[in-house]
Amino acid sequence: DVKVTQSSRYLVKRTGEKVFLECVQDMDHENMFWYRQDPGLGLRLIYFSYDVKMKEKGDIPEGYSVSREKKERFSLILESASTNQTSMYLCASRPVARGYTFGSGTRLTVV
Amino acid sequence: GDSVTQMEGPVTLSEEAFLTINCTYTATGYPSLFWYVQYPGEGLQLLLKATKADDKGSNKGFEATYRKETTSFHLEKGSVQVSDSAVYFCALSGPNTGNQFYFGTGTSLTVIP
Repeated sequence: DVKVTQSSRYLVKRTGEKVFLECVQDMDHENMFWYRQDPGLGLRLIYFSYDVKMKEKGDIPEGYSVSREKKERFSLILESASTNQTSMYLCASRPVARGYTFGSGTRLTVV
Repeated sequence: GDSVTQMEGPVTLSEEAFLTINCTYTATGYPSLFWYVQYPGEGLQLLLKATKADDKGSNKGFEATYRKETTSFHLEKGSVQVSDSAVYFCALSGPNTGNQFYFGTGTSLTVIP
């Protein structure tokens, strides 16, 4: 089975900190995605990447950046964390023309 | 643009009750349709999918039929169990969505004994 691993299940960070969320997949998938999940809003796409060093903005990229230096790893970066970025963050990967495999999620709290 | 609308929750049912969660979509072209499930504290898992009109996806007793005429993909289960308590997401992916999926807002289901 494809595995998508997010490095932390729970994180607590202070306002203004730079935060790194890591995601690794083990099946050589081309496409990787970062979503945030909030009650009543469902999943919203932050950024995605369809190849190494390639990135595309999703629906809510403001306040975030990403890095994909290797095919298996896709990092989400909060340049200066704010309280409105408190959320559940979900990473997903997929090969071309197939469904997503999601990680278990990282619940981030910014205080 | 392409989008998915699913019924508001939360939904609370007694064990062995019949479940329907409505999902309708808007898309140009012919998207693939999916249902994902999220159990407490976990990420999303694919529950079932259908890739063309009149296809029926099924898994773990859940079913959904791709209805092009009504642009719907309603999730059904004949007899729910306590272990089905989760949040259910309808999603689409198609020729006009690039590589990404569009998700509904999720419907929370609680099944009580």
